[in-house]
Formats: sequence, structure tokens, C-alpha cells
Amino acid sequence: QVQLQESGPGLVKPSETLSLTCTVSGGSITSFHWNWIRQPPGKGLEWIGYIYYSGSTNYNPSLKSRVTISLDTSKNQFSLRLTSVTAADTAVYYCARNLPGDYWGQGTLVTVSS
Amino acid sequence: DIVMTQSPDSLALSLGERATINCKSSQSFLFSSNNKNCIAWYQQKPGQPPKLLIYWASTRESGVPDRFSGSGSGTDFTLTISSLQAEDVAVYYCQQYYSSPLTFGGGTKVEIK
Repeated sequence: QVQLQESGPGLVKPSETLSLTCTVSGGSITSFHWNWIRQPPGKGLEWIGYIYYSGSTNYNPSLKSRVTISLDTSKNQFSLRLTSVTAADTAVYYCARNLPGDYWGQGTLVTVSS
Repeated sequence: DIVMTQSPDSLALSLGERATINCKSSQSFLFSSNNKNCIAWYQQKPGQPPKLLIYWASTRESGVPDRFSGSGSGTDFTLTISSLQAEDVAVYYCQQYYSSPLTFGGGTKVEIK
């Protein structure tokens, strides 16, 4: 059974960089699209971007200037970096496999606050 | 961007009733390779990640009860729960995965009356 697990700091200061990792178990990361999606508390879902197993990326234009998604096939992980964060970036961050997302992590709450 | 507009925002029905959730897109998204619409439906329960129910507008994900069905074409799509069960209380989202940025509807909250 494929499982995804997000990890990273739960608190990030304004203007700093948010970094999260998604570890994939029960399947290889050398197939599929691998997504990051976020959900502000009490609100809807926003797609951040994906990385294809080949390494090509596609980002939401609303975040493109601040986002980097990368892949580490040796660790079966992919990662998210979001720079210059503000309170508006406070959200539960999910990683998910495929288009559309058939397997999701449980999500991790990241709060941006000083 | 393709805008996905869901309606209603919420609905409250009795157990066993039929639930109908609508999703209207700002443009159509037919995938040329299989002539199918790139729309998915998810169910999200409190404190849980979204769960994929339907993809290609009408294909049920493995393990999803057959009371859930998807339909529609062009720019109008529908998720139907044929007989509402207590465990179906959740927020439901549509999503287009045809073009970047991938976009979601605003969600429809389904409750038991």
C-alpha cells in the first residue's frame, strides 16, 4: 500500500523559507506526478505544483516566483521550498501522488508567525 | 486559469436521500487521447486529507461505494450520492486536472438533517 508522509517545521517566521519533505513508501517515486497542495485553516484547497518523475516541474503561477519542488529518488522523497513566507502561507500542506491525486499524505500544519 | 464553481455551498438531507452537487467550469477540458473530461471529485472529512472518489468525470476510484457517481460534459458536472449515509458527511470538492494551474471548486458541505 502506497503511503505518503509530510515532514518539516510546524512554525516558520515571516520572510523565511518553508521547507517540507514528503516520504513515499510502498511504491517507487520513479513514476507519476508528485504534487503539493495546501489548505488554509477552514478554507478550500490550493494546488501549489508538481514534479514529474522525470524531474520536470509545473507550478501555480500565483506562487511560481517563490516555489521550488525537487525530487530525491535515492530516498524516495520529494520536497517543497517556499520562500519569503507571510501569514497568508499558513496552511495544512499535503503531498499527493498522481493527477488526480490518488494517494495523499495526512498533511502537516505550517504556521507562519514570529 | 480554469475557474471551478461549485453549488450549493452546503446541503442538509435526511439519511437515504439523494444528494446532488454541481460543478461548473469556466471552460471545457476534454483530454484528446481518450475523449474524456479531466475532472475529479474528492471527499474530505474533518481532520483528514481529501479522498479521491471519481476521476475522468465518471470513473469511480477502486473501493468507492457505488452510491457515488459522477456525470456531466462540457462545462457542467455533477456528483451524486444516491442514498445518503451517515458516513458521507463531509466536504466535497471538484478539481480539473486538464491544465495548469490545477484548480479546485470551493467545496460543498454535506450534512445530515
